[in-house]
Amino acid sequence: QVQLQESGPGLVKPSETLSLTCTVSGGSISSYYWSWIRQPPGKGLEWIGYIYYSGSTNYNPSLKSRVTISVDTSKNQFSLKLSSVTAADTAVYYCASQQLVRGSLAGNDYWGQGTLVTVSS
Amino acid sequence: AIWMTQSPSLLSASTGDRVTISCRMSQGISSYLAWYQQKPGKAPELLIYAASTLQSGVPSRFSGSGSGTDFTLTISCLQSEDFATYYCQQYYSFPLTFGPGTKVDIK
Repeated sequence: QVQLQESGPGLVKPSETLSLTCTVSGGSISSYYWSWIRQPPGKGLEWIGYIYYSGSTNYNPSLKSRVTISVDTSKNQFSLKLSSVTAADTAVYYCASQQLVRGSLAGNDYWGQGTLVTVSS
Repeated sequence: AIWMTQSPSLLSASTGDRVTISCRMSQGISSYLAWYQQKPGKAPELLIYAASTLQSGVPSRFSGSGSGTDFTLTISCLQSEDFATYYCQQYYSFPLTFGPGTKVDIK
């Protein structure tokens, strides 16, 4: 059973960079695509982007200029950096695995518990 | 980007009811649709992918249908643990997008 766990600061100052890491256990990161998804308090879900273990990425255009997702296969981790944050970036951030079925995307099957990141001075 | 609407946004129902949630796309997505259930303070859980394929471990009272632009999630006999918010997600094209959600609460 794959498990994911987000870690990182819960408070980030405006204009600074939000940095989160997701540790994958119970399975190898060298398979699947690995996603970041966020949810502002009381609101819906927003896909941030994903990375393949090889390092190829795909980002949401609405965030692309500020987002970097990277992978460290030696640690079974992948990470999110979001620069120049504002209060609008306050959200619960989830990491998740992107299921593949017959080579096609098929939803996010495993999720971390989520971590609340608040942007405030 | 592909946008979707979900209806209703709030559904009040009783245990044992049959409930149906609709998800409509701004353009056709074939069957590249997933449904998730989210309970307060928890991560979403994948219920259905490819519009109608039940994720492993998900009870058979959940079913999905549709293709193109119109999709439906049906819960055949609502159980107490099904009171939650449900989201659809398209993965036909980037960026991947989620619907606004449908909250199912107790009548």
